[in-house]
Amino acid sequence: EADIYQTPRYLVIGTGKKITLECSQTMGHDKMYWYQQDPGMELHLIHYSYGVNSTEKGDLSSESTVSRIRTEHFPLTLESARPSHTSQYLCASSLTGLNTGELFFGEGSRLTVL
Amino acid sequence: AQSVTQPDIHITVSEGASLELRCNYSYGATPYLFWYVQSPGQGLQLLLKYFSGDTLVQGIKGFEAEFKRSQSSFNLRKPSVHWSDAAEYFCAARGDSSYKLIFGSGTRLLVRP
Repeated sequence: EADIYQTPRYLVIGTGKKITLECSQTMGHDKMYWYQQDPGMELHLIHYSYGVNSTEKGDLSSESTVSRIRTEHFPLTLESARPSHTSQYLCASSLTGLNTGELFFGEGSRLTVL
Repeated sequence: AQSVTQPDIHITVSEGASLELRCNYSYGATPYLFWYVQSPGQGLQLLLKYFSGDTLVQGIKGFEAEFKRSQSSFNLRKPSVHWSDAAEYFCAARGDSSYKLIFGSGTRLLVRP
């Protein structure tokens, strides 16, 4: 079992609200990722981090921001949520070493913006 | 551009029947290849991975996949499907110098009793 946790699992909020999706892992992985997943669509990488104080934008443009102050914690923030942000957000982590590559995923945070 | 294609959006099989899910990739060189499964309301779980060596890879839950360089394919197979295998299956790939995975759009497996 992977030890990566996301909260909240489900969130329904109104337009304009600020939200933070939490992601924590207890495996000591240095690499962490946020993917956005829409129904019937592939996962798109929106943010990743190679370690503390290291964050990069992914392949899909996103208005969200991330921070990596501690190894185990990689929160995602939307300053002003809009209906277009409605989606499922999946957090993942992995070990250093190119010949591993396995990502461990959390159970996801499903966001609905009204 | 690098891409992963899963041509089947949905597949329905009867319990006990064999299964094959298709995956094709487009990369400059042979990528590292993965199959993940996602049950409803859950995150993704790794079924198996291919880096090099034997082109037939065994995974968890009785799944296997075969890498075919000539066809740029990495199809997932299971000889006898169980009702608990109903889920969404994702093929993914990354280059040998990147940590970022590119996912296919997924195949939803339905299992008839």
